[in-house]
Amino acid sequence: GAVVSQHPSWVICKSGTSVKIECRSLDFQATTMFWYRQFPKQSLMLMATSNEGSKATYEQGVEKDKFLINHASLTLSTLTVTSAHPEDSSFYICSARDGTGGGWAYEQYFGPGTRLTVT
Amino acid sequence: DAKTTQPTSMDCAEGRAANLPCNHSTISGNEYVYWYRQIHSQGPQYIIHGLKNNETNEMASLIITEDRKSSTLILPHATLRDTAVYYCIVRVMDSSYKLIFGSGTRLLVRP
Repeated sequence: GAVVSQHPSWVICKSGTSVKIECRSLDFQATTMFWYRQFPKQSLMLMATSNEGSKATYEQGVEKDKFLINHASLTLSTLTVTSAHPEDSSFYICSARDGTGGGWAYEQYFGPGTRLTVT
Repeated sequence: DAKTTQPTSMDCAEGRAANLPCNHSTISGNEYVYWYRQIHSQGPQYIIHGLKNNETNEMASLIITEDRKSSTLILPHATLRDTAVYYCIVRVMDSSYKLIFGSGTRLLVRP
């Protein structure tokens, strides 16, 4: 089945620094990738949608200058949290859509998530 | 996309069927019902989806009422590994491909 990986699985950084999270589709071409954020005991919140080769579309209330998304290839999207603060500590999850296959059923495959802790 | 209402938590005994309800009374005719689950500290996993007819796959069955205002996800023989948060999502099959997650149901399978 389709596999999506994330790296790193967890990261600790100091307040004010930037951290980059990678999302890769390992065995399919992902024309669209999505980034979610999840706080403890809460549901997933969609942050942005990124299409390969174009700018990401951010959901209302998500700061595009703080959460930089790059989707430079069909298998890789990156999320950079700039000038991180403790309130950015969260579980970040990506998903990828297989744009080459037919059908709607399996259009999104989720990565295992990255736990970010900002100290 | 229409909103869904799910119970906050449920539990069932291992080996028994787990029936998870979802209310989507404002669903539109072109919206599908999707179910995902999330095991603790992992990414969500697709389970099943449907439009009007009942659906079954190797993981679960999806029963959609005739008026489509509600549905039930059935795990026929729950195991301890089915303990997770189950999300019912309704969405249009449009070019955005967005999934908007609600609060879900936390299912605890008891030994």
